[in-house]
Amino acid sequence: SQTIHQWPATLVQPVGSPLSLECTVEGTSNPNLYWYRQAAGRGLQLLFYSVGIGQISSEVPQNLSASRPQDRQFILSSKKLLLSDSGFYLCAWNLVGNTEAFFGQGTRLTVV
Amino acid sequence: AQSVTQPDIHITVSEGASLELRCNYSYGATPYLFWYVQSPGQGLQLLLKYFSGDTLVQGIKGFEAEFKRSQSSFNLRKPSVHWSDAAEYFCAVGITGGGNKLTFGTGTQLKVEL
Repeated sequence: SQTIHQWPATLVQPVGSPLSLECTVEGTSNPNLYWYRQAAGRGLQLLFYSVGIGQISSEVPQNLSASRPQDRQFILSSKKLLLSDSGFYLCAWNLVGNTEAFFGQGTRLTVV
Repeated sequence: AQSVTQPDIHITVSEGASLELRCNYSYGATPYLFWYVQSPGQGLQLLLKYFSGDTLVQGIKGFEAEFKRSQSSFNLRKPSVHWSDAAEYFCAVGITGGGNKLTFGTGTQLKVEL
């Protein structure tokens, strides 16, 4: 069966520090991968998605970037964090042609 | 572009009472519709989905939802709420192609009074 791993679960980082959040999927090949951010009272905002290795689409302009170095690995990064980057980050995957998405357990990022 | 509206930010019901969470969508074609549930500090779990066919869909944990094309709605219902149902609920619309993305509503926080 397929599983999705996301880490770390919680992270407290100072303003201006770098960020790297990692997500991996097991049990499937060539998944679509997604990074969402959830801010209080604002629902889920799609940040990036990827339909294949090295293919990244950005949905909103921001201080973050994403990379997909391997088929089942998706990384969310920042060179210098801002206070406004605080939030709950969720990784998700689905299969090509299928919109049903499966989510990781999320990372709570607090920028101080 | 597609959009989802969940008009109720917070809902409080008594345990054992019935529940209906509202969801309206905007999309030019027949959408794929989903309801997800999120417990505090956790990821999202799929409750149910509508792709086509029978407009009343059954999900996990005793939930059901009805797709009404004329009202552009996909409301979530449960006949008798349990205290463990307290969580945040998200409605989403999905489109195939262009990354098979989901667009979420802002969520409804459900509180269950004992």
